[in-house]
Amino acid sequence: SYELTQPPSVSVSPGQTARITCSGDALPKQYAYWYQQKPGQAPVLVIYKDSERPSGIPERFSGSSSGTTVTLTISGVQAEDEADYYCQSADSSGTSHVVFGGGTKLTVL
Amino acid sequence: EVQLVESGGGLVKPGGSLRLSCAASGFTFSSYSMNWVRQAPGKGLEWVSSISSSSSYIYYADSVKGRFTISRDNAKNSLYLQMNSLRAEDTAVYYCARDSGDSSSVSWYFDLWGRGTLVTVSS
Repeated sequence: SYELTQPPSVSVSPGQTARITCSGDALPKQYAYWYQQKPGQAPVLVIYKDSERPSGIPERFSGSSSGTTVTLTISGVQAEDEADYYCQSADSSGTSHVVFGGGTKLTVL
Repeated sequence: EVQLVESGGGLVKPGGSLRLSCAASGFTFSSYSMNWVRQAPGKGLEWVSSISSSSSYIYYADSVKGRFTISRDNAKNSLYLQMNSLRAEDTAVYYCARDSGDSSSVSWYFDLWGRGTLVTVSS
C-alpha cells in the first residue's frame, strides 16, 4: 500500500492563511479527503473529493490538488481551528483500501 | 439527532477477546456502508475494517485480518467488531464511522463518526 505524507506541524497567527500539504503517488488518480480532530473529540470531515466542502463547514476551509500533492487551505485562521488535520485517500491498488496521512498539528499562535 | 455511539471497550489481557458495538440513530442505517477506524494513544488514524450496507462486501486491514470480524444487524441499527487474539498494539480508541454514501457500494471516506471507545490490551 502507498503512503500519504504530511508535515508534522504548521503554525500561523490568527487571521493569516494556513496551508497543510499531503503528498502521495496515487493522489493524481484518487480523491483526497481531509478531517479535523480536536483533542478528545472524533474526527470531522472538512473537505471531500479534493475540494468539496460538506454542509456546515465554514467557507474559510478549502482544498486543492496538483499532481501528487493536495492542499488544505484555511483562510483567516481562527483560534478554534487549532487541531490535528488528517488527509485520507483510497488505495485501489493494494489491500489497505483506506490510507491516512500521519496528521498535521495546526497551532494558532 | 444523527449519531453513532460506540460501546464495549475496556481492559483485556493479550490473547483475549472483546466485542465492540456501535448504535446508529437519526438516519437509515441499512442504506450505508459502515467502518471501524482506530487511533492508538497519541498516534494517527488507522482504518480497520469496512462492511457494505447488506454485508455483501467486507474488508479488513492486513494488521487485523484473521483476528477481527466486522458484522452488522440492520434490524437493530447496529455495527459490531469482534476482536480476538488481541495484542498490545491493538490498544487504541476505536471509532465507528459512516461511509459517505457517495457510491452504491463503499466510497472509502467517512462523513459521520462516533466518539469512540477505548480498548486497552495489557497484562
